[in-house]
This record gives sequence, C-alpha cells and structure tokens, in this order.
Amino acid sequence: QKEVEQNSGPLSVPEGAIASLNCTYSDRGSQSFFWYRQYSGKSPELIMSIYSNGDKEDGRFTAQLNKASQYVSLLIRDSQPSDSATYLCAVNPGYRGSSNTGKLIFGQGTTLQVKP
Amino acid sequence: EAGVTQSPTHLIKTRGQQATLRCSPISGHTSVYWYQQALGLGLQFLLWYDEGEERNRGNFPPRFSGRQFPNYSSELNVNALELEDSALYLCASSLRRGAEAFFGQGTRLTVV
Repeated sequence: QKEVEQNSGPLSVPEGAIASLNCTYSDRGSQSFFWYRQYSGKSPELIMSIYSNGDKEDGRFTAQLNKASQYVSLLIRDSQPSDSATYLCAVNPGYRGSSNTGKLIFGQGTTLQVKP
Repeated sequence: EAGVTQSPTHLIKTRGQQATLRCSPISGHTSVYWYQQALGLGLQFLLWYDEGEERNRGNFPPRFSGRQFPNYSSELNVNALELEDSALYLCASSLRRGAEAFFGQGTRLTVV
C-alpha cells in the first residue's frame, strides 16, 4: 500500500463546476496535510494546509480532513481553465518517538482539466 | 520577501561526473528538503536538513549527499552520475519541522 494515494486522473470538469480531488493516507498518526498545485514543467505551489478534522476554506478552495477515515480532499469551486494542473496531496507523518520524521510524503498527483 | 532560490536552473553533465545543486531557503526558515522528480513521475523524498544537520534520508544511494550551512542554505551533491539521475531537483524550506513547505523553481539536471 502506498503511503499517500491519489487517483491520477485526468479529472475533467466544465468551467464553473466544482472539482473534487481526493487523497488517502496510510499512517494513522499523520499530523499535517497539504495540497499543492503543479503546472507542467514548474515547481509545486502550496495552495492549502489543514491540520485538524473538518473543513478549511480559502477563496474558491476548501480542504476537508477526516482523520478517522484517513482521508483528505480538496474542492475547487467555480473551476477555471487556469486551474488545469496537477494537484499533489502531501502528508507529514508527524512525530515518531521523540522526533518528527520531517519529510512530506507526496501522492502521485491528480491531473485536473477544466474545459471552457 | 524572497522565496526559495535554487541554482543553477539547468545543468547538463556527462555520465560519471559530479553535480552540485544549491538552495537558499526563505529568510528565517531552518528546515530544507530536497526532492527528485523524474519526468512524468511523482516527488521522491531525498534529504531533510534542519538546524544544520541531516535529519532524514530517502531511499537513494549514498552517492546522493548534501549538507546545510550555518546560514541554512543547502547543497545537494550527486556523485558518479547515471543517466537515470536526469530529473527536476526541487528544494523546499519550512519555518519548522512539519510546517508548510515552500518550493524553489527547481534545477533541471540532464545527464548525457
């Protein structure tokens, strides 16, 4: 089982629709969760972080975390063609013993295509 | 405020040579992470430095090494380059371990 799993897509949505991106993780002790957007040939850009169960909204983006189900999602409302990119879910496994492993584990990413 | 900066942007090396990649974190950030992203693949964790020390290492051979300097900048060295080392190498920094990490623009390494 991969540590962080995402559906590779592509996920295709019409302009103005809601895009829903999902991610599951295997380490139940994980503490921090992040969503990055990566355009082709560019580096990842942080768009959302979430640390506790529930929803967190920032503009058109909403991150949802359910630690019991080991599931984190990203909703993009009013999707625009400029949102077309690969979305990476990243998880920090948190503290092991007395030290944080410190690394962010990334999923393979979901490619989103927003069609005009 | 300046973001994470990496140099060089592009690097072409011959198989068997050594490559040195550099990273300057965001001011005040003490943690630096290195990732490898081969074409069409995901981000693979290479190394994590925090407060000048190597804290964690991914599943890469020992010819991948690095260090963090007193000013928290970092260097990644790849010895005995192989063709499959060709990839985008990404550096990220964070204010503290486990916090949000911000990426530089990457160094595209091509081994011929």
